[in-house]
Amino acid sequence: DAKTTQPNSMESNEEEPVHLPCNHSTISGTDYIHWYRQLPSQGPEYVIHGLTSNVNNRMASLAIAEDRKSSTLILHRATLRDAAVYYCLCNYGQNFVFGPGTRLSVLP
Amino acid sequence: DTEVTQTPKHLVMGMTNKKSLKCEQHMGHRAMYWYKQKAKKPPELMFVYSYEKLSINESVPSRFSPECPNSSLLNLHLHALQPEDSALYLCASSPEAEYSMNTEAFFGQGTRLTVV
Repeated sequence: DAKTTQPNSMESNEEEPVHLPCNHSTISGTDYIHWYRQLPSQGPEYVIHGLTSNVNNRMASLAIAEDRKSSTLILHRATLRDAAVYYCLCNYGQNFVFGPGTRLSVLP
Repeated sequence: DTEVTQTPKHLVMGMTNKKSLKCEQHMGHRAMYWYKQKAKKPPELMFVYSYEKLSINESVPSRFSPECPNSSLLNLHLHALQPEDSALYLCASSPEAEYSMNTEAFFGQGTRLTVV
């Protein structure tokens, strides 16, 4: 059964790196892996996406396992504004499915 | 302009009412989406429009009726809703319908719907 799993919650100290994992063992070889985040009372916001190799942008880095069964979103220096729910998204057939999300708390 | 605008922000409606949610984007995107999000849950896909045609309907009850009058507008018509339909309704757009591929989607802030 197609399924994406993420830890329910994680905690980080401000200015420290954060590694948010996602397992997506049944995606196909051509499906991109996306990450979005949702701040309280807002719509989801795009963070990053990738296919096979690691990706970097101004917000984060995405590390994709060689077998593509998992990926990790990396926030290099967490700030208080990064506190949000982080969703991993994968395509299963025609359905673009949000994972359950990880609630990230950032401690000052 | 990289915004997806949803109106109204909040809506309270009775079970016998008819109301509509509106979504607008001016980024030239050809795919638009409706999602439903219950509290503390991830968004769930309801409908996908590609080039103004309905391409995906995720077995949504007929009391939800989507409409895409043009490439910039997306409506969700609501009729005879139930209290369990209370949720945050999110609209999104992307350059193409296959936004699971090499492109990003833009989400609106959502409409908080309460059915009484």
